[in-house]
Amino acid sequence: AQTVTQSQPEMSVQEAETVTLSCTYDTSESDYYLFWYKQPPSRQMILVIRQEAYKQQNATENRFSVNFQKAAKSFSLKISDSQLGDAAMYFCACQRSGTASKLTFGTGTRLQVTL
Amino acid sequence: GAVVSQHPSRVICKSGTSVKIECRSLDFQATTMFWYRQFPKKSLMLMATSNEGSKATYEQGVEKDKFLINHASLTLSTLTVTSAHPEDSSFYICSALGQADTEAFFGQGTRLTVV
Repeated sequence: AQTVTQSQPEMSVQEAETVTLSCTYDTSESDYYLFWYKQPPSRQMILVIRQEAYKQQNATENRFSVNFQKAAKSFSLKISDSQLGDAAMYFCACQRSGTASKLTFGTGTRLQVTL
Repeated sequence: GAVVSQHPSRVICKSGTSVKIECRSLDFQATTMFWYRQFPKKSLMLMATSNEGSKATYEQGVEKDKFLINHASLTLSTLTVTSAHPEDSSFYICSALGQADTEAFFGQGTRLTVV
């Protein structure tokens, strides 16, 4: 079984600034994936970034990067140069490796971006 | 990325009636699809895993006779809410996994209102 914890229900960041969203997880699997999903007001789930647990290098996608601390089971998301369009709910998720594996989601962090 | 189409996006039905929600993978074959339910300002709760050509696997506490899932082809899974009641009102989201990939692609979601 896996659990994912997001301890920040809401966060706020000023436009152009940097914000970090926290996520911790627990899993008994040795091989797994970690994800950050964005859910804007349209409620369409959008994949932001993905990390394979066997990779030590932190994943990066343009303004989005993660700080993956495997021993601490921590997987935070850093958003640089925040934009108004980044305002959304952000969900951290874990998935064991292998086919047909389900995602386990955290409770989400609502990010507000202010002018 | 791959496209998953969910239909309808909104539906209102009367208590006691049934409503069917479709989830289609438009440009890939999905051996596995997932159905989630999301309450307002909450995370996604996995209801069931739908596998093409076999019976769905339901999560604990989800009534299989109430939430009928059919995955008759590699591109279509349907969720039928039978004898709907107001407490079934919610946002339902599907996601699909490709055969060779563990990345999940999400539909746009369906807002169900039972009156």
